[in-house]
Amino acid sequence: GQQLNQSPQSMFIQEGEDVSMNCTSSSIFNTWLWYKQDPGEGPVLLIALYKAGELTSNGRLTAQFGITRKDSFLNISASIPSDVGIYFCAGGDRDDKIIFGKGTRLHILP
Amino acid sequence: DTGVSQDPRHKITKRGQNVTFRCDPISEHNRLYWYRQTLGQGPEFLTYFQNEAQLEKSRLLSDRFSAERPKGSFSTLEIQRTEQGDSAMYLCASSLDSAASGGYTFGSGTRLTVV
Repeated sequence: GQQLNQSPQSMFIQEGEDVSMNCTSSSIFNTWLWYKQDPGEGPVLLIALYKAGELTSNGRLTAQFGITRKDSFLNISASIPSDVGIYFCAGGDRDDKIIFGKGTRLHILP
Repeated sequence: DTGVSQDPRHKITKRGQNVTFRCDPISEHNRLYWYRQTLGQGPEFLTYFQNEAQLEKSRLLSDRFSAERPKGSFSTLEIQRTEQGDSAMYLCASSLDSAASGGYTFGSGTRLTVV
């Protein structure tokens, strides 16, 4: 079945550092999405990407839809404490379901 | 519009009991999805509806699971004869038309613990 491989699984950074995480798949996706999940809550959409090669920003977040349609990355600049959480990449398949990766856990060291 | 609402937020049940969860989507959204999330994993697709029609069910959805969306508005997910392996967060999401229109909006989930 379709699988998304997210890396890294977890990150420990200092406040103010930039963060980069990515997602790859053996399958082509029509849509790439990045979500953030806080403990005990549902995922919240951060950025949606609809075209291969598309680069989109949302404040300190930047994400790109890979040219091959099999990968995406998310960058966070100048991290702050509220960035702590789990970041999921997700791909929209041709049947219009969204398939999620296993997440990247972001920790910010005091 | 108050977003996607799920009820209850938490449910503890004894093995073998039946449980039912409810999801109220965003009112103008015609698609409704159920996902299951276990600790340390991403959400896994279970099933989805377009209006009242159930269009797809995952192999994860055993015959003990049933979902309905009788009038194309709220949905229920029932688990019969619960097992400890059913313990998870059950997430509901809704969207207008397809994922291509902007992804899903998720509810806060129902956390099920089977003891």
